[in-house]
Amino acid sequence: EVRLLESGGGLVQPGGSLRLSCAASGFTFSSYGMSWVRQAPGKGLEWVSGISESGGDRYYANSVKGRFSISRDNSKNTVYLQMNSLRAEDTAVYFCAKQNFNYHYGMDVWGRGTTVTVSS
Amino acid sequence: QTVVTQEPSFSVSPGGTVTLTCGLSSGSVSTSYYPNWFQQTPGQAPRTLIYSTNTRSSGVPDRFSGSILGNKAALTITGAQADDESDYYCVLYMGSGLWVFGGGTKLTVL
Repeated sequence: EVRLLESGGGLVQPGGSLRLSCAASGFTFSSYGMSWVRQAPGKGLEWVSGISESGGDRYYANSVKGRFSISRDNSKNTVYLQMNSLRAEDTAVYFCAKQNFNYHYGMDVWGRGTTVTVSS
Repeated sequence: QTVVTQEPSFSVSPGGTVTLTCGLSSGSVSTSYYPNWFQQTPGQAPRTLIYSTNTRSSGVPDRFSGSILGNKAALTITGAQADDESDYYCVLYMGSGLWVFGGGTKLTVL
């Protein structure tokens, strides 16, 4: 069974940093791209960042470009989201998603999410 | 700034058919945008229903189907059931690795 388990969320002050992790199991992790998607309280889904199978290609939404960094460790079956210069508007549940067998086919399986709260 | 548009809300009677759409603020949606559709109930993770316009994700009943209707992507639910009452989101591939979600449609079954 494909499983994605996010961790690393919490309360952080504006301007602070946080690193999210997503541990994958049940599939050949190194063969699939991955994405992070967030959902602010009471709002819709927002794609945040994506990464190719090898990690060589990384993509970001304009809202986080220059502040967030996505990476992966295929030896640990884990994808990360390093979040710097956090703002109140980054408060959200962050979901990890496995891309389909072709990255551009879309998101396939989702984790349950981890909550990030940016507040003083 | 590309905006992906969805109906904010829709209602359908039990057993009925409903079609939700996913458009662009400027231009037409085609298969080249690889539209995906997701279902989400409050407090839960999204569930993938459709990817690449019309391919059902594993385990998704054939009551759910995806297509291109005119200049929009569409999700059609036939034989609506009470547990179809959820939020439905589409996402479009903008190229260069980038995705944009629509604002979501709240579907009521009554």
